[in-house]
Amino acid sequence: ETGVTQSPTHLIKTRGQQVTLRCSSQSGHNTVSWYQQALGQGPQFIFQYYREEENGRGNFPPRFSGLQFPNYSSELNVNALELDDSALYLCASSLAPRSGRSTDTQYFGPGTRLTVL
Amino acid sequence: QKEVEQNSGPLSVPEGAIASLNCTYSDRVSQSFFWYRQYSGKSPELIMSIYSNGDKEDGRFTAQLNKASQYVSLLIRDSQPSDSATYLCAVNYGFQKLVFGTGTRLLVSP
Repeated sequence: ETGVTQSPTHLIKTRGQQVTLRCSSQSGHNTVSWYQQALGQGPQFIFQYYREEENGRGNFPPRFSGLQFPNYSSELNVNALELDDSALYLCASSLAPRSGRSTDTQYFGPGTRLTVL
Repeated sequence: QKEVEQNSGPLSVPEGAIASLNCTYSDRVSQSFFWYRQYSGKSPELIMSIYSNGDKEDGRFTAQLNKASQYVSLLIRDSQPSDSATYLCAVNYGFQKLVFGTGTRLLVSP
């Protein structure tokens, strides 16, 4: 167990709806990264949050957005859901030095399986 | 485009054999390399991290890094059926993100 928790475990939505996924980072970790893993693929980086600010973003459209809270927990929001958004959404926590110049080992939560019909 | 390449497999080995998993990456400035194990329907679990050229051993697992050849490998000694999973190679391209390969599926037969 990594100490990273995610909710919900599974979710079914229809096209055009909005969804919010939640993540609590491992105790002592201050950085949260979100990944999307489609079936048969490796995880794809969505974005990272550090000190409540977005700290890097992958090749995902603006309808993917997020938040980080003072307790370092995080949310991933997806608007206008499309069928291709069906995937396992993974949250990973890590500890960045105060300089913010590097994060190292990332520990994954159990994931949220999103199905869009 | 920063890429990580892995053979998708499956790689089939008999119980007790050595499984060798390979990964190449495209960006020479990468400094951190990771192997994750992922069982079907589960999330990735960290096995090893490696930062310097050479070998790093942890129990039955050995990670090997060759930065000149942009090559990372994972050896699993005395493979067990419980090692059957998908092994993901990940490269840290900067503190913003990990780039993953598509994973190699390993099957260990009793």
